Amino acid sequence: GNSVTQMEGPVTLSEEAFLTINCTYTATGYPSLFWYVQYPGEGLQLLLKATKADDKGSNKGFEATYRKETTSFHLEKGSVQVSDSAVYFCALTDNNNDMRFGAGTRLTVKP
Amino acid sequence: NAGVTQTPKFRVLKTGQSMTLLCAQDMNHEYMYWYRQDPGMGLRLIHYSVGEGTTAKGEVPDGYNVSRLKKQNFLLGLESAAPSQTSVYFCASRPTYYLQGLFFGSGTRLTVV
Repeated sequence: GNSVTQMEGPVTLSEEAFLTINCTYTATGYPSLFWYVQYPGEGLQLLLKATKADDKGSNKGFEATYRKETTSFHLEKGSVQVSDSAVYFCALTDNNNDMRFGAGTRLTVKP
Repeated sequence: NAGVTQTPKFRVLKTGQSMTLLCAQDMNHEYMYWYRQDPGMGLRLIHYSVGEGTTAKGEVPDGYNVSRLKKQNFLLGLESAAPSQTSVYFCASRPTYYLQGLFFGSGTRLTVV
């Protein structure tokens, strides 16, 4: 079945550091890939998405590129801020009916 | 703009008790979902619905039932709660165009003792 594997956290960075959160997937078809962010006490929010190989999703300074050859969709940001502290989830869907999520990676950014 | 509203926000149940979690969305979305979130396991899909009057099983449906009698509401029922059902439950909805992503409620924290 379809699944998503994320790097284990937690991740702690200093402000302005470079961020990478790894995500790899297993799917039988050609899935669409997503990153969601969850701030404390809230539900998940869509951060960015990509629908086909080599697509790059971007939003709020975050980027992720759909790599079919490595089945990956790593999340990156060049300079993190304290306000980026949250839990980040990689997700995929290939039948458009359900969305499968990774375990989540907690990011803490210190001033 | 309310979006997706879940009630209650917190609940403590005794083993064997029953309860219903209510999810309401005001965005006229066709698709609705129930997930549970457990530490180290991310979100796992319990049940979902692709329209009024329809339901389907997700990854972890056992011990739960759902109903979608009205388009805007999606109910999750626990007939006989077990400690293994202690979790945070999230409801989500989305429009027909799936690339807009899921819209989540703020969650229900359920503890079964």
